[in-house]
Amino acid sequence: GAGVSQSPSNKVTEKGKDVELRCDPISGHTALYWYRQSLGQGLEFLIYFQGNSAPDKSGLPSDRFSAERTGGSVSTLTIQRTQQEDSAVYLCASSLRQYLDSPLHFGNGTRLTVT
Amino acid sequence: AQKVTQAQTEISVVEKEDVTLDCVYETRDTTYYLFWYKQPPSGELVFLIRRNSFDEQNEISGRYSWNFQKSTSSFNFTITASQVVDSAVYFCALSSGNAGNMLTFGGGTRLMVKP
Repeated sequence: GAGVSQSPSNKVTEKGKDVELRCDPISGHTALYWYRQSLGQGLEFLIYFQGNSAPDKSGLPSDRFSAERTGGSVSTLTIQRTQQEDSAVYLCASSLRQYLDSPLHFGNGTRLTVT
Repeated sequence: AQKVTQAQTEISVVEKEDVTLDCVYETRDTTYYLFWYKQPPSGELVFLIRRNSFDEQNEISGRYSWNFQKSTSSFNFTITASQVVDSAVYFCALSSGNAGNMLTFGGGTRLMVKP
């Protein structure tokens, strides 16, 4: 079956520009997560959506970062006025339910390079 | 607060050697889940195993085995008779009630299996 799909796979942008990253979760998965992975580093939690509940934005590093999830499915992560330190791989994941034991299914990520 | 530590940043072995990847975690919760994920060079994180805090039985799946010890807050992963295809970055992760539904990842261990 189709896995988590992210687009674009690669994005190069100039410092100061806005970017939008898209995530299509697995059909039927109610929970959606965004993580960031900097070069050679672990995964940093950004934001979490569960159904129609208010998202958990506790991991967003600054107010330049925002995300939305439309219709409980597709999600868009937006970074405004990009900075070089935003360069990373942005990973989206979905899970069947919100519980602690539910494994995450990850997409291949969007590699963002800010020049 | 919860934390996962993978002290080994990089391990190199020769094919057919056994290798153990260490994971130490911290949480104040009594109910929590531990996970291992594999990130091959292609980049997509793949779920390997989940273990809940009440189940300390070790698990074996083919050449993979996991040793969960609450007394030392460790959840180590052993690959027996390693193969070149095992080369990847391996992440240990923790979810617990106090952290909501956020999965906290360790920094990862890069395993290189040489022929």
